[in-house]
Amino acid sequence: DAEITQSPRHKITETGRQVTLACHQTWNHNNMFWYRQDLGHGLRLIHYSYGVHDTNKGEVSDGYSVSRSNTEDLPLTLESAASSQTSVYFCASSAQNNEQFFGPGTRLTVL
Amino acid sequence: GQNIDQPTEMTATEGAIVQINCTYQTSGFNGLFWYQQHAGEAPTFLSYNVLDGLEEKGRFSSFLSRSKGYSYLLLKELQMKDSASYLCAANQAGTALIFGKGTTLSVSS
Repeated sequence: DAEITQSPRHKITETGRQVTLACHQTWNHNNMFWYRQDLGHGLRLIHYSYGVHDTNKGEVSDGYSVSRSNTEDLPLTLESAASSQTSVYFCASSAQNNEQFFGPGTRLTVL
Repeated sequence: GQNIDQPTEMTATEGAIVQINCTYQTSGFNGLFWYQQHAGEAPTFLSYNVLDGLEEKGRFSSFLSRSKGYSYLLLKELQMKDSASYLCAANQAGTALIFGKGTTLSVSS
């Protein structure tokens, strides 16, 4: 069965370190998205991609970057982790109609 | 600008009916999604309305009025397992979904 996975599921890191969160989907979807979810803010879009080598900034992209070298993967990198980036991160993918399928999430703590 | 509004919290009792409202202001509107999210889990798809009117799917129904920028999710015969957050999201042409902050529904016995 097709699926979308994220790794790691939990991560603790220190401020200033570079962190990469992985997202892998086997739906063969062109569209992939990264969100963060915090209490009181709901899901906020960080970056998204509509195909290989395509990336776009979302609402809260500062301090984050993505790259899309193949259809299946969209890794999210925190260049220099900050405590404000402590959050739950969800990756999602979609086909043309934009119905998004979400991964299980990564809980990131920055100390 | 773009804006999605929905109530923060709602409470209801088992067996009851509850309606969760969502109003939106977006450009290039293509449709309205509803997702359910249990605590500690990922959002899962409930419904998608493109045209005006009511779409029924078992105990859940979703309504859309494009002219009023309004949608609601109707949950019937509430069960304890329906306690969750419900997210509405506007589908915009050529770009990503815009999510509301979610409505946390608590169902009590």
